[in-house]
Amino acid sequence: EAGVTQFPSHSVIEKGQTVTLRCDPISGHDNLYWYRRVMGKEIKFLLHFVKESKQDESGMPNNRFLAERTGGTYSTLKVQPAELEDSGVYFCASSQDYGFEQYFGPGTRLTVT
Amino acid sequence: AQSVTQLGSHVSVSEGALVLLRCNYSSSVPPYLFWYVQYPNQGLQLLLKYTSAATLVKGINGFEAEFKKSETSFHLTKPSAHMSDAAEYFCAVSPLSNTDKLIFGTGTRLQVFP
Repeated sequence: EAGVTQFPSHSVIEKGQTVTLRCDPISGHDNLYWYRRVMGKEIKFLLHFVKESKQDESGMPNNRFLAERTGGTYSTLKVQPAELEDSGVYFCASSQDYGFEQYFGPGTRLTVT
Repeated sequence: AQSVTQLGSHVSVSEGALVLLRCNYSSSVPPYLFWYVQYPNQGLQLLLKYTSAATLVKGINGFEAEFKKSETSFHLTKPSAHMSDAAEYFCAVSPLSNTDKLIFGTGTRLQVFP
């Protein structure tokens, strides 16, 4: 069974540009989560999808971040326009059901210069 | 609000020595507690979790953790470190009352010397 995959693994962009991160959850997992780790700090929750619906988006930092999960399969996280403080590692996780184990992808390392 | 504190951003041990990684939490409701490990260039992998059953929880790779409510702690231990245990370890809490999002500590990088 394939795990959670994320694309790209690394992205370097300039301030003001747009970047789109993609996450493919484990097949059949209705729950999908985005987290972010800024250098040296804790991993922070961004949002939670149940199928295509946003269950909890309390961690989204501002309206420059847009997450979608059309069709309830893969998800994208767009940052537009990117700022320097957006640099970090973005993790995606999926789970079979509420309260079940969350399986994490390897992360996308975003660097904004 | 829930929070997690991991004491020591870096821990170094010799191969064969005891591993002790500290985690303290704050939670207004009985939480679920987790330890995750991240090996280089990989995603986070669940080591073990506490879900209000037995207070001593055994996980993969010989790790275990004990939930101590009186101390609000959930320290991770392993009797004998292996070189392959070198990784970053994260403690996390989930309230599971109205959300199952994970709240993480800042992580502890474990280094194992031969």
